[in-house]
Amino acid sequence: AQSVTQLDSQVPVFEEAPVELRCNYSSSVSVYLFWYVQYPNQGLQLLLKYLSGSTLVESINGFEAEFNKSQTSFHLRKPSVHISDTAEYFCAVSPNYGGSQGNLIFGKGTKLSVKP
Amino acid sequence: AAGVIQSPRHLIKEKRETATLKCYPIPRHDTVYWYQQGPGQDPQFLISFYEKMQSDKGSIPDRFSAQQFSDYHSELNMSSLELGDSALYFCASSLAGFNEQYFGPGTRLTVT
Repeated sequence: AQSVTQLDSQVPVFEEAPVELRCNYSSSVSVYLFWYVQYPNQGLQLLLKYLSGSTLVESINGFEAEFNKSQTSFHLRKPSVHISDTAEYFCAVSPNYGGSQGNLIFGKGTKLSVKP
Repeated sequence: AAGVIQSPRHLIKEKRETATLKCYPIPRHDTVYWYQQGPGQDPQFLISFYEKMQSDKGSIPDRFSAQQFSDYHSELNMSSLELGDSALYFCASSLAGFNEQYFGPGTRLTVT
């Protein structure tokens, strides 16, 4: 079985400051790793994913996450946040069934609040 | 690009009534997943289908059933609704071999 722990339920930060949203996972099998973003009253949007290869993955809007196998972590970072980044961020894993993806297991979410 | 379509977007039902939620995956996607997100909660996996066959089952109550049809759309049928069923229900679709799920906008079900 897999589980995901997001260590911070809420992260307040000022605009243009750096931010890190922490995510740790546990699994007895190989997994794929994802970060999803959910804006108020909206659906889930994929922010970035780690499937294989380079452990550092980047999104088009400045977020990046690094897969650390030894620490079983997939922390999300952004060097300078904007007001528009205010949202809830979910870390998720899915078991790697020999190259095929299973269902997603989500963390409890981290609410990022960017203040001017 | 076409996205996942869910209908209805909002649904209000009374206790003990039934509800049917529909999901239309992205064209050519063969896998559908259903998730339930309670108020202030993380999404929980309910059930998935691949090529019209149930592929995995999560925390789906026995009162709920689902299926995937020949055109790949899926329906989640919910009976004997309870107050605790009030939630946002997401459908996601993917193409086998491509490890990315695309989520629909969700159906907000309110049970009164």
